Amino acid sequence: DAGVIQSPRHEVTEMGQEVTLRCKPISGHNSLFWYRQTMMRGLELLIYFNNNVPIDDSGMPEDRFSAKMPNASFSTLKIQPSEPRDSAVYFCASSFTSGSSYNEQFFGPGTRLTVL
Amino acid sequence: GENVEQHPSTLSVQEGDSAVIKCTYSDSASNYFPWYKQELGKRPQLIIDIRSNVGEKKDQRIAVTLNKTAKHFSLHITETQPEDSAVYFCAASIRPSLMGGGNKLTFGTGTQLKVEL
Repeated sequence: DAGVIQSPRHEVTEMGQEVTLRCKPISGHNSLFWYRQTMMRGLELLIYFNNNVPIDDSGMPEDRFSAKMPNASFSTLKIQPSEPRDSAVYFCASSFTSGSSYNEQFFGPGTRLTVL
Repeated sequence: GENVEQHPSTLSVQEGDSAVIKCTYSDSASNYFPWYKQELGKRPQLIIDIRSNVGEKKDQRIAVTLNKTAKHFSLHITETQPEDSAVYFCAASIRPSLMGGGNKLTFGTGTQLKVEL
């Protein structure tokens, strides 16, 4: 398996532009997580899905952020309009959850976003 | 919600010495505690985890201890090597069935470990 795949790996855009980050989870995993990492705030959970359904989006900073998971193999995180303070590394992670068991979250390589 | 505090934020040790990183959590319902290692420019990767029915777990040079009464857990690395230099994150999670599916992790702020020759 190729692991969690994210694209693009790097994105540089200008303030006000729309940004779309993409994630393909590991095949067979049913939970998908979007994280944001910055020096100031560390690793923050933005939103997570279980069986393609958003479970907790309390970490989404504001209405400019939205996420979708149309099927088990694809998710997007969109920022519109983007602002310089959105500059960060965005990680997608996936895991398999069954009942009350815990399984490792596997992280993708991340997307480094720079908003000028 | 859950709050995880991690100390110290930076830790410098001599090669061969031990390193200890400590975390506390706030939600007594949390019962899964993984530790992730993140090398510079790379993704976080799981190195060890512990569940609340266990007080200690060891894997070669790495061990984790859990004190549920005090709500704190620690990572111990013995015989440190230069390749142990990285940022280490602790995390806590509540049992998935209580959260409607999936185990949401709350991360600590990270510890930059530097192993000096």
